[in-house]
Amino acid sequence: ELKVEQNPLFLSMQEGKNYTIYCNYSTTSDRLYWYRQDPGKSLESLFVLLSNGAVKQEGRLMASLDTKARLSTLHITAAVHDLSATYFCAVDPTGTASKLTFGTGTRLQVTL
Amino acid sequence: NAGVTQTPKFRVLKTGQSMTLLCAQDMNHEYMYWYRQDPGMGLRLIHYSVGEGTTAKGEVPDGYNVSRLKKQNFLLGLESAAPSQTSVYFCASSYRGASAKNIQYFGAGTRLSVL
Repeated sequence: ELKVEQNPLFLSMQEGKNYTIYCNYSTTSDRLYWYRQDPGKSLESLFVLLSNGAVKQEGRLMASLDTKARLSTLHITAAVHDLSATYFCAVDPTGTASKLTFGTGTRLQVTL
Repeated sequence: NAGVTQTPKFRVLKTGQSMTLLCAQDMNHEYMYWYRQDPGMGLRLIHYSVGEGTTAKGEVPDGYNVSRLKKQNFLLGLESAAPSQTSVYFCASSYRGASAKNIQYFGAGTRLSVL
């Protein structure tokens, strides 16, 4: 059974600080997704990581994938309040965007 | 751009009642999915469909049925609702295949309470 673990589960950080969210998974997969969910809202796709060593950046967020370590990271640089949300990683062992297995989510709260 | 539309947005049921959640997508996607989201947990796949007329079980299918009579619609049914089915339900859709741009697009969710 594929297990996807995120840590931390909750993160409170001050504006301007840097931090990293970790996503570990238990089976081979070359494709991993990061999604953002605002309270009471749907999930919005942030990044698709397609191979070992893949790195994607958008604004203050940067995601990377190490398939050998079965680890993805989401790095936050100089956090701002607008980044407050819950972030999910999802693993796609079939490589076809079907049957995703989601992590438990990391709730990020950025304070002034 | 409508994308993935779910109806209803909210519903309260009594134990034993039945209901159907409707998901509609206008992106001509082949694949459609139903997930449930519970507090402190990620999304869990209930059922999915890889094309019109076909459905398959996901991780937590018990107590639910689905149908995909038209490509653009995917229905989730609860025949006899139980309090354990209180959750937020999300529908998603995607293209078929391993394209680099292939991602799942999600609807806004249906918040269901079973009393």
